[in-house]
Amino acid sequence: KAGVTQTPRYLIKTRGQQVTLSCSPISGHRSVSWYQQTPGQGLQFLFEYFSETQRNKGNFPGRFSGRQFSNSRSEMNVSTLELGDSALYLCASSLVVTGVYEQYFGPGTRLTVT
Amino acid sequence: AQTVTQSQPEMSVQEAETVTLSCTYDTSESDYYLFWYKQPPSRQMILVIRQEAYKQQNATENRFSVNFQKAAKSFSLKISDSQLGDAAMYFCAYRSAGGRGGATNKLIFGTGTLLAVQP
Repeated sequence: KAGVTQTPRYLIKTRGQQVTLSCSPISGHRSVSWYQQTPGQGLQFLFEYFSETQRNKGNFPGRFSGRQFSNSRSEMNVSTLELGDSALYLCASSLVVTGVYEQYFGPGTRLTVT
Repeated sequence: AQTVTQSQPEMSVQEAETVTLSCTYDTSESDYYLFWYKQPPSRQMILVIRQEAYKQQNATENRFSVNFQKAAKSFSLKISDSQLGDAAMYFCAYRSAGGRGGATNKLIFGTGTLLAVQP
């Protein structure tokens, strides 16, 4: 079974631009969560989707948005990029939301904002 | 709000020896899950071990075991017979089991402990 895939793996953008990151969960998984990882702030929760509905959102400005499609693939968008948005963006997928089911992480997208 | 604290930024262990990584958390919830994740230099986050708060028995997975002290809100990870491949950043994470906020997969991570394994 294929793992969680994230595209692109690396991205360089300029301040003020916008970016879209994609996450394809493991087949059959309906829950997708996104995290931002930076040296200063560590791992921070961005949002969580289940069956195309956003269930939870972290404490990030409105420039960060996401969505989930009917095939469970998810995208996150960051508009008006700032230097501080440079980070590793991780997504994780899980079968469902309840229970102690394992969340499987993708390899991440490394975003650099110049 | 729940918080997770890892007070050891870095640890070192000799190959074949045992090391314990510390984690404490704060929550007012009674039902939750705790996890240890490993992040090697490749950055791929891998689940090491999980613990359900309602279970008193400590979880074990091969060379990895936890010491879960619910009253003390402590969740330490013991790695026995350390191997070179164990070198990585280790994150402790908390996940609510539901309650008023509903079920969620949201993980709250600690700041991590960088483990070095000396040959």
